[in-house]
This record gives sequence, structure tokens and C-alpha cells, in this order.
Amino acid sequence: NAGVTQTPKFQVLKTGQSMTLQCAQDMNHEYMSWYRQDPGMGLRLIHYSVGAGITDQGEVPNGYNVSRSTTEDFPLRLLSAAPSQTSVYFCASRLSGSRSYNEQFFGPGTRLTVL
Amino acid sequence: AQRVTQPEKLLSVFKGAPVELKCNYSYSGSPELFWYVQYSRQRLQLLLRHISRESIKGFTADLNKGETSFHLKKPFAQEEDSAMYYCALMNNNDMRFGAGTRLTVKP
Repeated sequence: NAGVTQTPKFQVLKTGQSMTLQCAQDMNHEYMSWYRQDPGMGLRLIHYSVGAGITDQGEVPNGYNVSRSTTEDFPLRLLSAAPSQTSVYFCASRLSGSRSYNEQFFGPGTRLTVL
Repeated sequence: AQRVTQPEKLLSVFKGAPVELKCNYSYSGSPELFWYVQYSRQRLQLLLRHISRESIKGFTADLNKGETSFHLKKPFAQEEDSAMYYCALMNNNDMRFGAGTRLTVKP
């Protein structure tokens, strides 16, 4: 099992550009989520999904879109990048949305810089 | 709204000394609390969760509802414990993390 994979590892964008951060998992997990990690602020939940076709907002959803067309993939889209979106982005997955004590597995992260 | 506070950004101890990483939370219901750890150049990973009442790598954490705390403790710190530690609270599908504490264990 590859676990949770993310691409790219690094990305530099100019303000106003769009891009998609990819996330995939091969553990057949129903729940997937995206976080951003900023110095002094820990990880903050952007969006999450409890299954294919179902997504919901987290703590900081503005400026980001998600979709979940398959169990395996959960891409994060930045429609018009802003310098405030410079961060490290982590994708995570776990077994079930209803049993929250299940362990979350994290991807390696994507370091995004917006100039 | 739920909130997790880790008051110490940095914590430094000597090898063999006890260590306690503090975590306080605000939440009106019954919390589900976790400690996650990120070692250098590794992914964030679960260390322990309060519901399991387990000890992992010598670490324990007790939920104190009266003080709304979930402090992480280890009686004898090791150099390999040096890492970033995050306390987290889960409410349904919304997980909130604290800002993290960087623990350094000196030889």
C-alpha cells in the first residue's frame, strides 16, 4: 500500500493563477480531508469528505474548492491563488466518518508558495 | 466553538528528565482527543488517543474534564522523542489542532 499520496511536493504560483493539488489513497477509506499548516497556527481543516459525492467545509474553506468523484481521490483546487494561501497542505484519510476515533493517515504534504 | 490550546511553542529537556506537553481545550460536549507527532522529515502520525487509554512509546495522556486538559507525559525523555507534537480535538468530522509544541531532548 502506498497509503496517502500527494502531488506535487513543491509548487510556486503567481497571484491569480489556478492549480489543483492532488491527493489519493489506496486504503479504501471513506473519509478524506485537507489541512493547511502555518507557523504558529497548527493544522487547520479546509474541506473534508465522508464519501464519494459528499463534501463539506472545514474551518478555513474560503478560496478552495473540492470534489470527490471516487473513493480514492480528493483534489483541492485553488481557483485564484493569493499570497495568503502560501502554506504547507496536508491530505489525510481514515476509515469511517462516523467513528471519529479511527486513526487518520496523513500524506507527505505539498509546500505551496504564492508570489 | 471548539478550540485547542498548546501554551508552549518550544519545550527543551535533558535526556532522562520527565516531560509534560500541555494541552487545554474548550468544547461543550464529550471531547474526543488525540496527540499527533511529526518527527523530522516524516509524516504526521497518530501518537495516542484518549479513548484507548493507551501508552505509546512511554507516553501517556489523561483526559481531565474538570480542568479541560489532555496533557501528554513521559517519565524519562529520550533523544528520539524530539519532534513536533500536536494536540487535536474531534467533533463529528471536524478536527481542530493546537498550534503545536516543538520538543527538543538534549543529550
